[in-house]
Amino acid sequence: RKEVEQDPGPFNVPEGATVAFNCTYSNSASQSFFWYRQDCRKEPKLLMSVYSSGNEDGRFTAQLNRASQYISLLIRDSKLSDSATYLCVVNPSMDTGRRALTFGSGTRLQVQP
Amino acid sequence: EADIYQTPRYLVIGTGKKITLECSQTMGHDKMYWYQQDPGMELHLIHYSYGVNSTEKGDLSSESTVSRIRTEHFPLTLESARPSHTSQYLCASSESPALNTEAFFGQGTRLTVV
Repeated sequence: RKEVEQDPGPFNVPEGATVAFNCTYSNSASQSFFWYRQDCRKEPKLLMSVYSSGNEDGRFTAQLNRASQYISLLIRDSKLSDSATYLCVVNPSMDTGRRALTFGSGTRLQVQP
Repeated sequence: EADIYQTPRYLVIGTGKKITLECSQTMGHDKMYWYQQDPGMELHLIHYSYGVNSTEKGDLSSESTVSRIRTEHFPLTLESARPSHTSQYLCASSESPALNTEAFFGQGTRLTVV
């Protein structure tokens, strides 16, 4: 089982739609969580960190459910420019012996006009 | 903008050549990473480093080697390039061991071995 799992998509949605991505992680001791965005043939860039209390940045809302070990990203009022691959990233516990950030395989979003 | 740089951006090289991909960061980050990514596919961790003189192999078996003699520099070397090494190589860095530390990526090196 992968440490971080995401639905690969693609998610094809019309402009203005609301879309949600989920990500599950296997290590219950994981410490911190992020969503990254990667455009085609570009490097990943941080979209937002995910806090236990949930956090919002404009049209983007991230949630963390530690009990169920999943992270979500909600995008409201989708824009064409939101089309990209969204990567779920987990920072493991220092106790696990694995100390590198773990990336999910990404969920591809295509917003249609 | 992140202060992490990779050179070259693009490299086309013949089979059997030795190559070194450069990665430098000026943020003083302890952790540095090398990822390999084929077009449209997921990132695979091939090497990482916690600090100077500390390196470990990642999840994906790789014939490459790395060194970390200085905090800011984390070069990746292929002793004998093969067509199967054709891919994009992404370098990243993050602070350690603080929590909630995001990783910053370089722009990548797109390697083609012919």
